[in-house]
Amino acid sequence: SQKIEQNSEALNIQEGKTATLTCNYTNYSPAYLQWYRQDPGRGPVFLLLIRENEKEKRKERLKVTFDTTLKQSLFHITASQPADSATYLCALERNQGGKLIFGQGTELSVKP
Amino acid sequence: DAGVIQSPRHEVTEMGQEVTLRCKPISGHNSLFWYRQTMMRGLELLIYFNNNVPIDDSGMPEDRFSAKMPNASFSTLKIQPSEPRDSAVYFCASSLSANQPQHFGDGTRLSIL
Repeated sequence: SQKIEQNSEALNIQEGKTATLTCNYTNYSPAYLQWYRQDPGRGPVFLLLIRENEKEKRKERLKVTFDTTLKQSLFHITASQPADSATYLCALERNQGGKLIFGQGTELSVKP
Repeated sequence: DAGVIQSPRHEVTEMGQEVTLRCKPISGHNSLFWYRQTMMRGLELLIYFNNNVPIDDSGMPEDRFSAKMPNASFSTLKIQPSEPRDSAVYFCASSLSANQPQHFGDGTRLSIL
């Protein structure tokens, strides 16, 4: 069955450093992958979408890579700020109908 | 620009009662999704609709759960009868079309005593 793994432990980094979050998956070849941010008490917020034929996608301080051979996506936040502290979720497309399978999320804490 | 609106934000009720969660998607969005989030299982898709038609309800836990979308601007998720294990945060999300980014509401925190 489809399995998605994200770093289960919280990631603590210093302000200004680059945060790197990992999303690994098995038993499937998704056409695209999405990253969301979730703050406590709020719904997830869409950040980036990357397709299987794209190796890298950038948006301001965010960068996502997608390696379909390794079945892995990396999510980078450069020049991190305390306001970046949140839980980050990766999601894989499950079929052509828009069905997404979410990972458990990685909690990021950026210390000033 | 109003986002996805869910109501109520919090619901506390006793086991056996009927619970109805409501969702108003973003105007113009053709796809609507219901999710459940718990610490143990994370964010799970329950059911989704395209153009008001249920497409995949394989994530609905059991017959106690039902969802409807009578029109493009409203959907309900009903649990009858409710059980303590249904306690979770329920999210509704909408997207312009299938395979587009999803916009989530802020959820309904449901507690079944």
